[in-house]
Amino acid sequence: EVQLVESGGGLVQPGGSLRLSCAASGFTFSSYWMSWVRQAPGKGLEWVANIRQDGSQKYYVDSVKGRFTISRDDAKNSLFLQMNSLRVEDTAVYYCARDRLGYWGQGTLVTVSS
Amino acid sequence: DVVMTQSTLSLPVTLGQPASISCRSSQGLVHSDGNTYLHWFQQRPGQSPRRLIYKVSNRDSGVPDRFSGSGSGTDFTLKISRAEAEDVGVYYCMQGTHWPFTFGPGTKVDIK
Repeated sequence: EVQLVESGGGLVQPGGSLRLSCAASGFTFSSYWMSWVRQAPGKGLEWVANIRQDGSQKYYVDSVKGRFTISRDDAKNSLFLQMNSLRVEDTAVYYCARDRLGYWGQGTLVTVSS
Repeated sequence: DVVMTQSTLSLPVTLGQPASISCRSSQGLVHSDGNTYLHWFQQRPGQSPRRLIYKVSNRDSGVPDRFSGSGSGTDFTLKISRAEAEDVGVYYCMQGTHWPFTFGPGTKVDIK
């Protein structure tokens, strides 16, 4: 069974940093593109970033470019999102998803507030 | 960026009756590999999103056959043949052809 479990969310002040993690199981992690998608409270879905199987290609939505970095550790079946210079508008539930979003985790809440 | 439009943001449905959700993209979604990466997601209250349909018309594993997808070019449709109570939630279309991937605003389905 495919499982994606996010962690690392929490409350952070504007300008601060957080590192999200996603632990994957039930499939060959190294064979799939992986993505982060977020959802602000009461709002719709926004794709944030994704990363190719070998990490050689990474794509970001414009609003996070230069602030967020997606990475992966295939040996540990893990996906990461390093978030720096956080803004109030980054407040959202962040989901980890596999490939073309066929599987999703339960999400982790990031709250940016002073 | 490709803008995805769902013209109906709220859709009350009658149990046992059909329902249809439309989605339009601001540009064509045929990828250079020949595939059309238009997908549909369901998000029930308090749950993570779940993909129902991938590449326009392919039903994901475990998705009831009352759900179907169709369309081409810039116009796409998700149909529910006979609405059930468990279908309540928000439905999103998403294009995965052009970077950045983009979602529609969502159509909220509830029971009349």
